[in-house]
Amino acid sequence: QLQLQESSPGLMKPAETLSLTCSVSGGNVRSSDYCWGWIRQPPGKGLEWIGYVFWSGSTFYKPSLRSRVTMSVDTAKNQFSLRLWSLTAADTATYFCARSPFYGWQNVGPFDIWGQGTMVPVSS
Amino acid sequence: SYELIQPPSVSVSPGQTATITCSGDQLGDTSVSWYQHKPGQSPAVVIYRDRRRPSGIPERFSGSKSVGTATLTISGTQAMDEAYYYCQVWDSYIVIFGGGTELTVL
Repeated sequence: QLQLQESSPGLMKPAETLSLTCSVSGGNVRSSDYCWGWIRQPPGKGLEWIGYVFWSGSTFYKPSLRSRVTMSVDTAKNQFSLRLWSLTAADTATYFCARSPFYGWQNVGPFDIWGQGTMVPVSS
Repeated sequence: SYELIQPPSVSVSPGQTATITCSGDQLGDTSVSWYQHKPGQSPAVVIYRDRRRPSGIPERFSGSKSVGTATLTISGTQAMDEAYYYCQVWDSYIVIFGGGTELTVL
């Protein structure tokens, strides 16, 4: 059974760059059958999609975050990553990595496997 | 921008039917997924492709969709179903989540 595990960067300061990795076990990040996503949840708020990275390295991001985010896949380490820069307090959230089945560019399945989430506070 | 609108809260008595709606202008063109999210846990998909149920999800969870509205129905609601529920679509290369509905079983 595939499992996902987020890294835990701890407290971040405003203007810093957040780097998160999601380690994949029991499966292969290179599989063309899946794509890999990041979702966050600010305290007391709902789920917010950040973006997807595909086995090929292609990415799709939430438009409002596109200028501050990049995602990548590291096939050697079997993990995928998120970088979010110019942090503000509004980026304080629990960050989840997750997997979605890929049936085609117009047909991506649900987030069927999730990591446990990592809380990232942003404060001076 | 494209939005999915959910009621903030729904209350139901144990054993009754809970109905949670998700409204969006372009819902007819996309497949809808529903997630259950309990505090301190990761979200879990309970419905995908509008009405399909993943293995392990109880039969009391069902989904439907008509023009502009997707619906999650929980028949014979149990106390363990108390959670937040989110609808979600993949459309034009972005993922959209609804705002979430808090289901209270009382």
